[in-house]
Amino acid sequence: EAGVAQSPRYKIIEKRQSVAFWCNPISGHATLYWYQQILGQGPKLLIQFQNNGVVDDSQLPKDRFSAERLKGVDSTLKIQPAKLEDSAVYLCASSSRGANIQYFGAGTRLSVL
Amino acid sequence: GDSVTQMEGPVTLSEEAFLTINCTYTATGYPSLFWYVQYPGEGLQLLLKATKADDKGSNKGFEATYRKETTSFHLEKGSVQVSDSAVYFCALSDYDRKLIWGLGTSLAVNP
Repeated sequence: EAGVAQSPRYKIIEKRQSVAFWCNPISGHATLYWYQQILGQGPKLLIQFQNNGVVDDSQLPKDRFSAERLKGVDSTLKIQPAKLEDSAVYLCASSSRGANIQYFGAGTRLSVL
Repeated sequence: GDSVTQMEGPVTLSEEAFLTINCTYTATGYPSLFWYVQYPGEGLQLLLKATKADDKGSNKGFEATYRKETTSFHLEKGSVQVSDSAVYFCALSDYDRKLIWGLGTSLAVNP
């Protein structure tokens, strides 16, 4: 069974530029999560989707971050414009409906200069 | 609200040493407890879990027991290897199935 796929693995941009990350969850997993992991900290949930609907986006900085999950499969997370403090690893995870085990992708390491 | 507290790192051990990483939690309900591991340059992987009091999770020589009376879920391994060098995260999942994370404990094992 293929795992959670994320791309790109690394991205370097300058502040005020925009960037997008892509995630393909495990086949059949209805729930998809985006996390931000700053160096030395645990993951922080940004947004949770159930199929293509948003369940929780309370910690998503909506003035600059957006996410979508069209058709309830792939998802993209966008930052526009980026700030220095957005430098972090962005993790995507998925789980089957009602399950409490999440499976993570390798993450995208973003550096904002 | 719910929270997880882990011992601070980094932890440095010699190969074949005994490992304990402490984890305590606060929760209003009856959470499931997890240990995730993050190897250098990789994403998080579930290491083990326990869903109710006195359950013992185990995997790859690691063990942790769900202790409701002490609200703890300490991670142990009898003999660590260099390949165990990673960051270990304790987490809980309560009634809403959201994961609450500890800050992580970095482990370095020297040959």
